[in-house]
Amino acid sequence: GAVVSQHPSRVICKSGTSVKIECRSLDFQATTMFWYRQFPKQSLMLMATSNEGSKATYEQGVEKDKFLINHASLTLSTLTVTSAHPEDSSFYICSARPFSTDTQYFGPGTRLTVL
Amino acid sequence: RKEVEQDPGPFNVPEGATVAFNCTYSNSASQSFFWYRQDCRKEPKLLMSVYSSGNEDGRFTAQLNRASQYISLLIRDSKLSDSATYLCVVNGGSSNTGKLIFGQGTTLQVKP
Repeated sequence: GAVVSQHPSRVICKSGTSVKIECRSLDFQATTMFWYRQFPKQSLMLMATSNEGSKATYEQGVEKDKFLINHASLTLSTLTVTSAHPEDSSFYICSARPFSTDTQYFGPGTRLTVL
Repeated sequence: RKEVEQDPGPFNVPEGATVAFNCTYSNSASQSFFWYRQDCRKEPKLLMSVYSSGNEDGRFTAQLNRASQYISLLIRDSKLSDSATYLCVVNGGSSNTGKLIFGQGTTLQVKP
């Protein structure tokens, strides 16, 4: 149980394009999903908290107009990196939290490379 | 000061060794504590939650000292497959947003 999928697993795109990443909880419902970014040899940094049916809460320093988050249902959240630049190249990981628990289950991550 | 601090290592140990990792956190309001394991270029996976009374899961023992805001993980009889980065994780405080704060991670390399 508690499986989270992410799609795509890897994407290479040109600078200036937009990339959408999907995060799905497959066998549970999650009112809250989280989006993280991890640069090489660094820890996971929370970018935003995605709440079903409401606007996402962004961490300080994360541009909400650049990283668009939509949490359309209890099992799906999407992150769109708009007008991607090489410095946006990173490992993007989502997680989902089942009801009434502090435990987060992570998706397999999406490795984004912007040329 | 980082909210969650860990010695990044690496810790290089032989198979069968016992190794301990430490972690400190700054937010005294944190209520939930975890150790996650992350393999190279993979997502973190929950290793174990950490309870106030301390808890054990097979070869892994976790301890929490709230007064010192200190968490530890002990691995006994290390296996080659234990080689990974171990992340100390705490929740973001009493507001119960579910927000998790990750340490930098401690890298363990178990050698034959």
